[in-house]
Amino acid sequence: DTEVTQTPKHLVMGMTNKKSLKCEQHMGHRAMYWYKQKAKKPPELMFVYSYEKLSINESVPSRFSPECPNSSLLNLHLHALQPEDSALYLCASTLFGQIATDTQYFGPGTRLTVL
Amino acid sequence: GNSVTQMEGPVTLSEEAFLTINCTYTATGYPSLFWYVQYPGEGLQLLLKATKADDKGSNKGFEATYRKETTSFHLEKGSVQVSDSAVYFCALSDPKGKSTFGDGTTLTVKP
Repeated sequence: DTEVTQTPKHLVMGMTNKKSLKCEQHMGHRAMYWYKQKAKKPPELMFVYSYEKLSINESVPSRFSPECPNSSLLNLHLHALQPEDSALYLCASTLFGQIATDTQYFGPGTRLTVL
Repeated sequence: GNSVTQMEGPVTLSEEAFLTINCTYTATGYPSLFWYVQYPGEGLQLLLKATKADDKGSNKGFEATYRKETTSFHLEKGSVQVSDSAVYFCALSDPKGKSTFGDGTTLTVKP
């Protein structure tokens, strides 16, 4: 199994809703990442978990809350989002934790629309 | 901080034309360099990478050489196909594994 899966594929939510995005990989990778990608822009790093511990938080607003229940699973909990949070949310993983030479494997993303 | 500058797009080529997408970077230390490709409606996937100076990455007819003296990692392909139409991102990864991406270059190949 050489893929990263993300669910749901699409999500529409209101500003008062609470929802979660899910990311899973079964490649034995030790680091997992959340990125936000706006249309025609590069991915922006949000969070990194390395060996199930949060190692990077790129000053992301608290309405985004990451969780890594185990080494294969990464969640992003969403609450009280704003319309400008609408974007493609990408999950990625790397084999050896955070090292320069490691390739990131990306999931297909969740397209989030906040009304 | 680290930065990656990519040739601005969009780039439109005819099938079998030669492709170059320029990429230069600024980084401290010894980053690894990557080209990722993103097809419509999908996530990014690795195209090729190079982890030290003078390394050449290659895949599916694409090539790029890590040039430390010019801080560049230009992507080339000798003969593009319609199926190569996508967005191409140049990226670097620092020793802590944090990636910095260029703005992306949209390539359209016409039959």
